[in-house]
Amino acid sequence: SYELTQPPSVSVSPGQTASITCSGDKLGDKYACWYQQKPGQSPVLVIYQDSKRPSGIPERFSGSNSGNTATLTISGTQAMDEADYYCQVWESSTGVFGGGTKLTVL
Amino acid sequence: QLQLQESGPGLVKPSETLSLTCTVSGGSISRGSYYWGWIRQPPGKGLEWIGSIYYSGSTYYNPSVKSRVTISVDTSKNQFSLKLSSVTAADTAVYYCARHDVPASETFDPWGQGTLVTVSP
Repeated sequence: SYELTQPPSVSVSPGQTASITCSGDKLGDKYACWYQQKPGQSPVLVIYQDSKRPSGIPERFSGSNSGNTATLTISGTQAMDEADYYCQVWESSTGVFGGGTKLTVL
Repeated sequence: QLQLQESGPGLVKPSETLSLTCTVSGGSISRGSYYWGWIRQPPGKGLEWIGSIYYSGSTYYNPSVKSRVTISVDTSKNQFSLKLSSVTAADTAVYYCARHDVPASETFDPWGQGTLVTVSP
């Protein structure tokens, strides 16, 4: 079965740029999306089709996908961005999530 | 504004069937090209897609649970439901329902608030 690998944790200082990676075989050939989940809350879609932002998502969130790696980038990270982030793709009509990355803003 | 709400028993005994319903408000479940999906998250762990259904009844499931899962839809009530049979402790999780944007973005948005189901004697 297809697997997506994310680093368990990433730390960033306020105002700096955070990058969260998601790796999978030929991931660049698929569309990746990203979800943000704050403690005790439901996931929220922040990036879809590799780099598109849904309405209401701040411009500081951006995405890219090439080769075997998709990347979620948060520019000018704010304390409110501290959350778990999950990448997700579709492979053979099956939804696959990465294991999640805990972003700490300190 | 579209809202989804999960409901059902919070405690299920091992070997029994887990049953949950998702009620959709603020929009019709049978309008548009959307599917409707179930996703779960064991305590402290990541997300797992369970399956999705179209208002016509067309479904597709995660192979990891396909032999035990049934998703159905009731358009008259604007609801869709999940049944997972022969549950074990490994099925203990927060279960979310979400709108599944097929075939456009293939994303889940929005999500319900989730409901914790514990499998225990």
